[in-house]
Amino acid sequence: NAGVTQTPKFRVLKTGQSMTLLCAQDMNHEYMYWYRQDPGMGLRLIHYSVGEGTTAKGEVPDGYNVSRLKKQNFLLGLESAAPSQTSVYFCASSPTGWAKNIQYFGAGTRLSVL
Amino acid sequence: RKEVEQDPGPFNVPEGATVAFNCTYSNSASQSFFWYRQDCRKEPKLLMSVYSSGNEDGRFTAQLNRASQYISLLIRDSKLSDSATYLCVVNAGTYKYIFGTGTRLKVLA
Repeated sequence: NAGVTQTPKFRVLKTGQSMTLLCAQDMNHEYMYWYRQDPGMGLRLIHYSVGEGTTAKGEVPDGYNVSRLKKQNFLLGLESAAPSQTSVYFCASSPTGWAKNIQYFGAGTRLSVL
Repeated sequence: RKEVEQDPGPFNVPEGATVAFNCTYSNSASQSFFWYRQDCRKEPKLLMSVYSSGNEDGRFTAQLNRASQYISLLIRDSKLSDSATYLCVVNAGTYKYIFGTGTRLKVLA
């Protein structure tokens, strides 16, 4: 089982460049999330989606955009990267029902913005 | 005060020891609680949910104290493979999950 797959695994950007991080899940989960993890801080929610075609802002949405055109994919975009966006990005998904609070994470994307 | 607070550690314990971590939370309306495990440079993985009456999964026991607003994780008979960072997660509302910064455990041979 692939579970949650994130691409790319690593990326180095220059300030002002744009990029898209892809998250794909094969578990037919309704809910998907994008988090960032920085040293000394817990994972912080950037954006989330409760189903195909829906997105919502999390705790730290500024500088990011997302799209969920297909149920299995959740894309995170950086339009103009800044050094403050250097971080490890994790995508997660969760099902509906009694297990909705159990999140399954991808392996992460390590992004450096120079 | 942080919404979720954990002692960062590291907790260095010998193999076979019993070790316990606490996690305090500030929002008394929090509904669900979890412990995740994160290995170095890896993704978090669910270790166990924390139920009001406390629950056990093998060598791991989780407890919730709503009155004092903390959850705990007890690991008995520590193994080298238990070395990791343990993240406390609190569900503080619909789709709102607050992650602690984690407690690092090192089990020594």
